[in-house]
Amino acid sequence: QQPVQSPQAVILREGEDAVINCSSSKALYSVHWYRQKHGEAPVFLMILLKGGEQKGHDKISASFNEKKQQSSLYLTASQLSYSGTYFCGTEIFGYGQNFVFGPGTRLSVLP
Amino acid sequence: EAGVVQSPRYKIIEKKQPVAFWCNPISGHNTLYWYLQNLGQGPELLIRYENEEAVDDSQLPKDRFSAERLKGVDSTLKIQPAELGDSAVYLCASSYSGDTQYFGPGTRLTVL
Repeated sequence: QQPVQSPQAVILREGEDAVINCSSSKALYSVHWYRQKHGEAPVFLMILLKGGEQKGHDKISASFNEKKQQSSLYLTASQLSYSGTYFCGTEIFGYGQNFVFGPGTRLSVLP
Repeated sequence: EAGVVQSPRYKIIEKKQPVAFWCNPISGHNTLYWYLQNLGQGPELLIRYENEEAVDDSQLPKDRFSAERLKGVDSTLKIQPAELGDSAVYLCASSYSGDTQYFGPGTRLTVL
């Protein structure tokens, strides 16, 4: 029941946009997004709940399509600091039950 | 506010030796997670605690791995005996009732 992420990797120039997708075969309660820089722990970005609205802060936003069990993370006008591996994590029942991370998408932002 | 604390940060042992990792979660967080992360992969859940109760340990290799969370605060994960394939980063995370997870820096284990 691990979610699928696409693409596996993406290389951007500073200022370009990127979209990272996460999909599941199960009906989802929520989708969490984390970013992990090399050698560091994952850091929480945002959570999207079933029935909730699209979220975002600064130039990073995300959406959750409940019908398709898909979430997309949008990075607009990427900065060098956006480089890292992005993981989605999915819950089926809430309260942290059956929480599973995806395999990750490696994002590299070049100057 | 202090974050999740883990120790040691690095550990090198020979196969068949025992090893233990310690985690102190954020104060007030009742949910604690232990994950294993291999290079280039996402974290894989080993065990999840709600207070002192292990509510999900289905992915924990119980023949060699054990964990405890006495008094529902800090936790210890043990491997005995360690195998070469156990080399990985062991991450601890905590949350309030399954909400946002906050991760510790992890323990990088190398088994020789």
